[in-house]
Amino acid sequence: KQEVTQIPAALSVPEGENLVLNCSFTDSAIYNLQWFRQDPGKGLTSLLLIQSSQREQTSGRLNASLDKSSGRSTLYIAASQPGDSATYLCAVEGGSYIPTFGRGTSLIVHP
Amino acid sequence: DAGVTQSPTHLIKTRGQQVTLRCSPKSGHDTVSWYQQALGQGPQFIFQYYEEEERQRGNFPDRFSGHQFPNYSSELNVNALLLGDSALYLCASSSGPDQTQYFGPGTRLTVL
Repeated sequence: KQEVTQIPAALSVPEGENLVLNCSFTDSAIYNLQWFRQDPGKGLTSLLLIQSSQREQTSGRLNASLDKSSGRSTLYIAASQPGDSATYLCAVEGGSYIPTFGRGTSLIVHP
Repeated sequence: DAGVTQSPTHLIKTRGQQVTLRCSPKSGHDTVSWYQQALGQGPQFIFQYYEEEERQRGNFPDRFSGHQFPNYSSELNVNALLLGDSALYLCASSSGPDQTQYFGPGTRLTVL
């Protein structure tokens, strides 16, 4: 059974810092890994999707990497802003096509 | 493009009642997935519908059932509600080779 762990569970940083959020998974036989953002009480917004054959994806200030062999992904946020405050979730999709989510990292960026 | 829409936004029910939640997928999407998200947890996959058939199902009891209509919209039905069914119910749509899932704003269900 796939298990997804996200570290840290919570993070509070001053504006302007570069951040790294971590996601690890137990079964490396995956099709893709997706990073999402969730604002309080809201739905999820897709940030980046990495196919199993890819090593990384970039969008603006966001960069996500994938290392299947070690079962890890990182989300790098450059020059953080207060508007980045949200919960960040990673989800792994394996052979069953059923996505497994982590519990998320709650990020607060203060001015 | 309205994106994924869900109704209602909030719902309060009592134990033992039944509830129906609705989802309209993003324009052009033919696949709808439903998730349950308890407070402080990641979403848990309930099931996925494609071409009006349940294609995949997560570890949820038969009290949870669904339907997809010819216009690709979908319903989630939950019978014999329990206190533990209180959660945010999320719908996501996708299509074809683009595996990106687009989520709706969710329905907050409270069971008293």
